[in-house]
Amino acid sequence: ETGVTQSPTHLIKTRGQQVTLRCSSQSGHNTVSWYQQALGQGPQFIFQYYREEENGRGNFPPRFSGLQFPNYSSELNVNALELDDSALYLCASSGHERTGRSHEQYFGPGTRLTVT
Amino acid sequence: QKEVEQDPGPLSVPEGAIVSLNCTYSNSAFQYFMWYRQYSRKGPELLMYTYSSGNKEDGRFTAQVDKSSKYISLFIRDSQPSDSATYLCAMSSMGRRALTFGSGTRLQVQP
Repeated sequence: ETGVTQSPTHLIKTRGQQVTLRCSSQSGHNTVSWYQQALGQGPQFIFQYYREEENGRGNFPPRFSGLQFPNYSSELNVNALELDDSALYLCASSGHERTGRSHEQYFGPGTRLTVT
Repeated sequence: QKEVEQDPGPLSVPEGAIVSLNCTYSNSAFQYFMWYRQYSRKGPELLMYTYSSGNKEDGRFTAQVDKSSKYISLFIRDSQPSDSATYLCAMSSMGRRALTFGSGTRLQVQP
């Protein structure tokens, strides 16, 4: 069973640019959640996708958007990057179709985004 | 006031000690409680998952949930230097799978 993977590992962007981060969910999981983790803080929920539909959103502006594909992989897009967007972006998958243990979330290694 | 409060530490203990990590929360709707371990510059790793109140044990780790006090704990027995990491508590409510995290406690186990 493969775990959650994310790409790229690191990214440096300039303020005002746009970025796309990618995530492949764990085998059998149908739900993907995205979190932002600033240095020294716990992860903050951005949004969640279940079977290609947004299924909840945290307190993030519309310039944070996402997609989920039929194979349950996902993208996080951030437009008009700001310096405060510099953080570790984490993807988590959950909702094992066989066991139904949908509240257990398994995280990928994250993408470290630096905005200059 | 944050929904989930966690002492940031750092907490430094000698190898072999029993470690106690705690979180308090304010949202009575939380039903699912998790502990994650995060090594520096890595993603969080799920250690323990508990539904509602009670205790759960897995090897050297024990998770306790007291919903009446809105207080959860993680105990680590026979702590090892490899346990040195940041420990994050996380919670969610029925019908909403978004996790709300504490800010994490940094643990150092000295050899």
